[in-house]
Amino acid sequence: DGGITQSPKYLFRKEGQNVTLSCEQNLNHDAMYWYRQDPGQGLRLIYYSQIVNDFQKGDIAEGYSVSREKKESFPLTVTSAQKNPTAFYLCASRGQASQYTQYFGPGTRLTVL
Amino acid sequence: GESVGLHLPTLSVQEGDNSIINCAYSNSASDYFIWYKQESGKGPQFIIDIRSNMDKRQGQRVTVLLNKTVKHLSLQIAATQPGDSAVYFCAENISQGAQKLVFGQGTRLTINP
Repeated sequence: DGGITQSPKYLFRKEGQNVTLSCEQNLNHDAMYWYRQDPGQGLRLIYYSQIVNDFQKGDIAEGYSVSREKKESFPLTVTSAQKNPTAFYLCASRGQASQYTQYFGPGTRLTVL
Repeated sequence: GESVGLHLPTLSVQEGDNSIINCAYSNSASDYFIWYKQESGKGPQFIIDIRSNMDKRQGQRVTVLLNKTVKHLSLQIAATQPGDSAVYFCAENISQGAQKLVFGQGTRLTINP
């Protein structure tokens, strides 16, 4: 199956802990994105990467970090510096063929205990 | 700042009726628009897109209309079914700089039996 996978589906974190959310795609897409979604709200861009070994901050990057060592992987680390990390996290990717359309994974719901 | 927004946060329609979901945008540099459907607990799913040089595009049971004069975008869903119940987001691609999408808040569509 081709697509975008995110793991885990649910994640619980204690305050002060860093956690890493996984995002993998086998669509051969160059660009990948991380969004945060809070209840009843739209998507806000955290980080994005248009090519391997390069990434840029989005609108709400504080308290988050990413890496893009492989084309198919774009993990997101939620650090202890993120003051309100409880949210639904969505990863997306975009290929040249689809031009501007981003395709989303199933999401990870992070809850801070 | 410039953003994508929606006129109505919630919309209820009878099964079998047509529904219209509206979206206002304010960025004159936007050159591409996308509608996504998001079911509860899942990632957004691509529905249909339209370029700024078009004013109408049709898909299966869906039609997107673009009025650049008043910066308005709408999604029409014909003969709604229970499976159409979801949150619908519009997104715009701002052609300046990096390829990023700006998402609206979303409209929750409920189909009544």
